[in-house]
Amino acid sequence: QKEVEQNSGPLSVPEGAIASLNCTYSDRGSQSFFWYRQYSGKSPELIMFIYSNGDKEDGRFTAQLNKASQYVSLLIRDSQPSDSATYLCAVNTGFQKLVFGTGTRLLVSP
Amino acid sequence: KAGVTQTPRYLIKTRGQQVTLSCSPISGHRSVSWYQQTPGQGLQFLFEYFSETQRNKGNFPGRFSGRQFSNSRSEMNVSTLELGDSALYLCASSPAGGGGYEQYFGPGTRLTVT
Repeated sequence: QKEVEQNSGPLSVPEGAIASLNCTYSDRGSQSFFWYRQYSGKSPELIMFIYSNGDKEDGRFTAQLNKASQYVSLLIRDSQPSDSATYLCAVNTGFQKLVFGTGTRLLVSP
Repeated sequence: KAGVTQTPRYLIKTRGQQVTLSCSPISGHRSVSWYQQTPGQGLQFLFEYFSETQRNKGNFPGRFSGRQFSNSRSEMNVSTLELGDSALYLCASSPAGGGGYEQYFGPGTRLTVT
């Protein structure tokens, strides 16, 4: 079992819709969780982080964490074509070691 | 604040050579982590330095090494390069500790081994 799992996609949504990206992790002791966006040929950009169970909202983005189910999700409201990218889920397993999922490719069509 | 900077941005080396990559973290950040990104393996953790001490290391051979200086700048070295070392090498800086655990990536160094 991989430490961090994501559906590779692509996830296709029309412009203006809500995109829902999911991630599961295996280490129950993990305390901090991150979502990065990576455009082709670029480095990952941090868009959300969450440390406590529940929801955390920042603009059009909402991160959701359920430690009991070992599940993290990212919702993108009012999706735009510029949101088309690969979204990486990352889990901090200790001393700043991030374990990444393989990423979900999101395609937002105009 | 200026972001994380990495030099050089692109590098072409021959098998058997060695290479040194440099990373300057965001001002005030004391933790620097290094990652390797390849199409086949994705993003993999190499090591992390905090206050000049390596605190964590990933599953890479001893040919991969690093260090951190008193100003938090970090270097990583790969000796006896192999074709499979061709990758995007990313460094990320973080305040760590009470300052937060978020990691911010630099633009990366694209290494090609021929």
